[in-house]
Amino acid sequence: QVQLKETGPGLVQPTQTLSITCTVSGFSLTSYYMQWVRQTPGKGLEWMGFIRSGGSTEYNSEFKSRLSISRDTSKNQVFLKMNSLKTEDTGVYYCARDRYNSFDYWGQGVMVTVSS
Amino acid sequence: DIQMTQSPASLSASLGETVTIECRASEDIYNGLAWYQQKPGKSPQLLIYNANSLHTGVPSRFSGSGSGTQYSLKINSLQSEDVASYFCQQYYNYWTFGGGTKLELK
Repeated sequence: QVQLKETGPGLVQPTQTLSITCTVSGFSLTSYYMQWVRQTPGKGLEWMGFIRSGGSTEYNSEFKSRLSISRDTSKNQVFLKMNSLKTEDTGVYYCARDRYNSFDYWGQGVMVTVSS
Repeated sequence: DIQMTQSPASLSASLGETVTIECRASEDIYNGLAWYQQKPGKSPQLLIYNANSLHTGVPSRFSGSGSGTQYSLKINSLQSEDVASYFCQQYYNYWTFGGGTKLELK
């Protein structure tokens, strides 16, 4: 069955870099786009960016300068890296599978707190 | 960027009642709209895609309709397990979510 699971640090200091891994099973990353979405108290659900089945990426302009998405297909993993973190980046970060532009499977999410 | 305005922000309804949640886009999104349900502490779950297509396994009491800039999610015969927050999402031009509707039991 399809499963997605995010892993990452619970606490990150301001100005530091956030790294989250999404490990998937039950499908191939070379067949689906993968999305990153976050949910913050201030802005609710926000689309962050995605990686295509072919490996190219696109980002929300709100994050473009500090966000990077990559993957390792041999390990069935997708990675999110975001630098220059601020307290407003506190929230839950999700990876999701893209099925013709709607998101049909989501990970459980990882809570990230940005604080010194 | 396309903005999504969802209403109401919160809603209280009785078991068995029919509930409707609205979503308005800032421009025509040509049925590029999905609805998600999110229960507390859980991730969002896809209910409806392409404005009116029911996702696999979703009960038939959920339905979506609309066109252009105006869309709605209807829940017939409200069940206790439907207590959740609901979000619309446009995917005509990248992706944007509505602010959500929190549905509670009266």
